[in-house]
Amino acid sequence: QQQVKQSPQSLIVQKGGISIINCAYENTAFDYFPWYQQFPGKGPALLIAIRPDVSEKKEGRFTISFNKSAKQFSLHIMDSQPGDSATYFCAASKEGSQGNLIFGKGTKLSVKP
Amino acid sequence: DAGVTQSPTHLIKTRGQQVTLRCSPISGHKSVSWYQQVLGQGPQFIFQYYEKEERGRGNFPDRFSARQFPNYSSELNVNALLLGDSALYLCASSLGQGAASYTFGSGTRLTVV
Repeated sequence: QQQVKQSPQSLIVQKGGISIINCAYENTAFDYFPWYQQFPGKGPALLIAIRPDVSEKKEGRFTISFNKSAKQFSLHIMDSQPGDSATYFCAASKEGSQGNLIFGKGTKLSVKP
Repeated sequence: DAGVTQSPTHLIKTRGQQVTLRCSPISGHKSVSWYQQVLGQGPQFIFQYYEKEERGRGNFPDRFSARQFPNYSSELNVNALLLGDSALYLCASSLGQGAASYTFGSGTRLTVV
């Protein structure tokens, strides 16, 4: 059973465009929703995270939108740059889960110059 | 300040063999978690250790075991290796037990032939 579903699997965006990646979750007990960025040969690095008490969080060019009733959250990358080309993972966890992050399958983003 | 360090970076083993992977957390971090990332997939939780005790375990067979030492470093052991154990093994450290402050290492790439 896949608890966090991520789409699309891959995404090609022109430089300066907006990249949008979506995730849906099943477990309403989840209370922490991070996005990770991973470059080839590296471990995932935390980009931005949100808790369900807010509907949006922005950090620089990265924004998380959160819809609790729909059990969905998304990552928006504004003014996408070639250096943003990487694989992005959404994840979810619940308090008391002893650090168990449930990851989506990932989205490979390519930003064309 | 050093990040999470993992060793070795790459490893090739034969089916049936045993392997030990090592992780040194960020200084001051008392929690270490292990994840398996199969090519093209998101990381999957294996174990969490906090204050030298196992605090969480994912859905992995008993061939997988781990421990945490008094200096908070950790080892992941996998016995009776299968071809399907080929993956990137990631270590994440955090101050507490939750996933909110995870920092991942670059991982150990294990290939089983």
